[in-house]
Amino acid sequence: EAGVTQSPRYAVLQEGQAVSFWCDPISGHDTLYWYQQPRDQGPQLLVYFRDEAVIDNSQLPSDRFSAVRPKGTNSTLKIQSAKQGDTATYLCASSLRDNYAEQFFGPGTRLTVL
Amino acid sequence: GDSVTQTEGLVTLTEGLPVMLNCTYQTIYSNPFLFWYVQHLNESPRLLLKSFTDNKRTEHQGFHATLHKSSSSFHLQKSSAQLSDSALYYCAHMGYKLTFGTGTSLLVDP
Repeated sequence: EAGVTQSPRYAVLQEGQAVSFWCDPISGHDTLYWYQQPRDQGPQLLVYFRDEAVIDNSQLPSDRFSAVRPKGTNSTLKIQSAKQGDTATYLCASSLRDNYAEQFFGPGTRLTVL
Repeated sequence: GDSVTQTEGLVTLTEGLPVMLNCTYQTIYSNPFLFWYVQHLNESPRLLLKSFTDNKRTEHQGFHATLHKSSSSFHLQKSSAQLSDSALYYCAHMGYKLTFGTGTSLLVDP
C-alpha cells in the first residue's frame, strides 16, 4: 500500500514569492492534516480536513496561507507571499476518521525562504 | 489548551545502556491519549507507541511506555539502547488535535 506522498521535496524561494505544496494521502483516509515543522521543533498543526471540509484552520496564517482539498482526496497548501519565518518542513499526514487513529506522515517538503 | 513537555533536548548514551525519555502532559480531557513518534534523520515522523489506558504498559520494537494519569506522564523506556535508536523522539497528546512536545534527540554512541 502506498504511503502519503508529497511534492516537491524541496523548495527555495526569495521573500515575497509564492509556493504550493501538494499532498496525496493514503487511499481511503478521509482525514488529512498539514503541519509546519520548524527546524529543531515538533510538528505544529496548521489545518486539517475531513473529506473536503475544513475542520480546523485556526493556526493557519490566513493572510498568506491557504489550503484546499476540493474532492476530499488530494490537497494543496499554498503560501502567497513567503517570509523568512516560513522556513520549515511542511508535513502532510492522513488518517481514518477515528480520533484515536494513527496519523501517517508523508516525507515532507523542506522550504527555505531567503 | 493542551501541552506536552519533554524536558530533555538531547540524551547521549552508550550502546547497551537503558533509555528513558521523559514526557509529561497537561490536558482538560479526562481520558488522555498519548503517543510516541520517532523521526530518523531526513525522514518523517513514524508512530512508535500509543496508549489511552491508565497504568497499562504498552510495548513496540523493544520500547515501552506506561500512561500514568496520576502523574500525567508517559515516559519512553528501553532496556538496552542500540545504535539504530539514534533519532528524534516526540511525545504527543491527542485532544481535539495532535499536540507534539518539543522533542528529544537521542544519540547512541558505540
